[in-house]
Amino acid sequence: AQSVTQLDSQVPVFEEAPVELRCNYSSSVSVYLFWYVQYPNQGLQLLLKYLSGSTLVKGINGFEAEFNKSQTSFHLRKPSVHISDTAEYFCAVGRDTGRRALTFGSGTRLQVQP
Amino acid sequence: GAVVSQHPSRVICKSGTSVKIECRSLDFQATTMFWYRQFPKQSLMLMATSNEGSKATYEQGVEKDKFLINHASLTLSTLTVTSAHPEDSSFYICSARVLVPFEQYFGPGTRLTVT
Repeated sequence: AQSVTQLDSQVPVFEEAPVELRCNYSSSVSVYLFWYVQYPNQGLQLLLKYLSGSTLVKGINGFEAEFNKSQTSFHLRKPSVHISDTAEYFCAVGRDTGRRALTFGSGTRLQVQP
Repeated sequence: GAVVSQHPSRVICKSGTSVKIECRSLDFQATTMFWYRQFPKQSLMLMATSNEGSKATYEQGVEKDKFLINHASLTLSTLTVTSAHPEDSSFYICSARVLVPFEQYFGPGTRLTVT
């Protein structure tokens, strides 16, 4: 079985400040890792994903994440946030076997203040 | 990019009635679609895996007779909530998997309110 822990339920930050959203996972096998963003009453939009290769992954909207296998982490970062980044962010893991569905973390609400 | 649509986006129904939600992959074929449920301010919980041409696989605790899933073609999966009750009110999201390693595309979701 696999699980995902997002350590912060809410992260308030001022506009143009840097931000890090934390994600830790557990799995007995190799996994793929994802970050999704959800705006109110909308579906999920993929920010970035780690499948293999370079551990530093760059995504859309200036976000990046680093896969750290020894610490089983996949933290999301952005050097300078905008008001429009206010949303719910979900970390997810999946396996390339079985049903291949994703397991989601509980989500982190990023609140960017002016 | 690949687009997944859901219809309707919002539905209000009376307790005891049934509601059908459609999930379509618009520009690609998906042999596998997933149905998730999301309660307010909570994460997505997998309900079932829908495979084209075969029976859906339900997660533990999900009533398969209540949440009927049909995946009749490579571009359409439907979720029917039968005899809906207020506790079934939720945000239902589908996703479609394409035939490349681990790509899933999510629909915009359907808000179901049972009165």
